[in-house]
Amino acid sequence: EVQLVESGGGLIQPGGSLRLSCAASGFTVSSDYMNWVRQAPGKGLEWVSVIYSGGSTYYADSVKGRFTIYRDTSKNTLYLQMNSLRDEDTAVYYCARDQRRDGYNYPHWGQGTLVTVSS
Amino acid sequence: QSVLTQPPSVSGAPGQRVTISCTGTRSNIGAGYDVFWYQQVPGTAPKLLIYGNKNRPSGVPDRFSGSKSGTSASLAITGLQPEDEADYYCQSYDSSLSGYWVFGGGTKLTVL
Repeated sequence: EVQLVESGGGLIQPGGSLRLSCAASGFTVSSDYMNWVRQAPGKGLEWVSVIYSGGSTYYADSVKGRFTIYRDTSKNTLYLQMNSLRDEDTAVYYCARDQRRDGYNYPHWGQGTLVTVSS
Repeated sequence: QSVLTQPPSVSGAPGQRVTISCTGTRSNIGAGYDVFWYQQVPGTAPKLLIYGNKNRPSGVPDRFSGSKSGTSASLAITGLQPEDEADYYCQSYDSSLSGYWVFGGGTKLTVL
């Protein structure tokens, strides 16, 4: 069974750094495209970043240069390193697997971790 | 401003049918990319309702159906039930620099 469990969220001051983790089970994080998606309080879903199975990475303009997505296959875990955090980064952060199966893309989502940026 | 456009809200009485539209452009839905639909109850993670434009994961009732045409897609819910009251989001992919996954702004469904 596929499972994604995020952790690492919390309260952080503006300008600070935080690293989110997404522990995966039931599959290998390097086998599929892995994403981070966030949702600010009362707002909609916003794609943040993706790491391809081949290792290429892409970011939303709102986080480019501040966030880094990477994975550790020995721990089967996806990470999001967040630097220079701003108030507007406050959100629930979800990790999501984009699985290719039976000719379709099939997404799996974790339960999310809350990041609050505030002084 | 979301890349995909959804109505902010829809409503219907129990037993009725409602549809939620999702309008994109030639760089996402119109480029042939699949559309996905999620249901989200406040405080919980999005739940996948539709993948590949019209396919339901196991466990999703057949009251939920998806369709796609051109640069738009729709989610239809028949036989509305009180527990269907939630936020609904569409998602696709985008070939432009705007991102890999793109989302609609969400639609609040109220069951009257």
